[in-house]
Amino acid sequence: AQSVSQHNHHVILSEAASLELGCNYSYGGTVNLFWYVQYPGQHLQLLLKYFSGDPLVKGIKGFEAEFIKSKFSFNLRKPSVQWSDTAEYFCAVSPSNSGYALNFGKGTSLLVTP
Amino acid sequence: GAGVSQSPRYKVAKRGQDVALRCDPISGHVSLFWYQQALGQGPEFLTYFQNEAQLDKSGLPSDRFFAERPEGSVSTLKIQRTQQEDSAVYLCASSLDSGANVLTFGAGSRLTVL
Repeated sequence: AQSVSQHNHHVILSEAASLELGCNYSYGGTVNLFWYVQYPGQHLQLLLKYFSGDPLVKGIKGFEAEFIKSKFSFNLRKPSVQWSDTAEYFCAVSPSNSGYALNFGKGTSLLVTP
Repeated sequence: GAGVSQSPRYKVAKRGQDVALRCDPISGHVSLFWYQQALGQGPEFLTYFQNEAQLDKSGLPSDRFFAERPEGSVSTLKIQRTQQEDSAVYLCASSLDSGANVLTFGAGSRLTVL
């Protein structure tokens, strides 16, 4: 069965620190990959997505993610975090050929301290 | 409307009661999804509609769960004879095209079963 693993459940960083959140998936076919973010008190919203092409994708607010097919990974990065990046981050995967079910990881809670 | 609207935002039910959760997607969005998010977990897929057709209900946990979208716009998720394990946030999402591409999520309906 398809699954999505996020390695870090809770991350605490100081402002200006670099961020990398791990995401691995298990699925043999072609996939679409997403990172969603949920800021405190707000809806889940799309941060960035990868369907095909350049494996390094850039999203909103300075975030980027790199798809490494050989490692089944889609890690999220940001060079310098801000207090406003405090949020819950979810990696999600859907099969490209039947994109009904978007499968989410359990999420990583990021706290950025001033 | 401008976003996905869900009601009620909070629902407390006694075990055994029936509940109905409503989702009003973005106007014109073809696809509508229901997800269940338990505390500390990522969203879990429940069911998918393309217009009025329910194309995938593989995630519904039991026959107590039923969803409909009779006119291809508003959707209702009904849970009969609620159990404590049904306590969760129920998220609705919609997308313009068919399939799970870029989803716009609602704020969710938090169900607590006593």
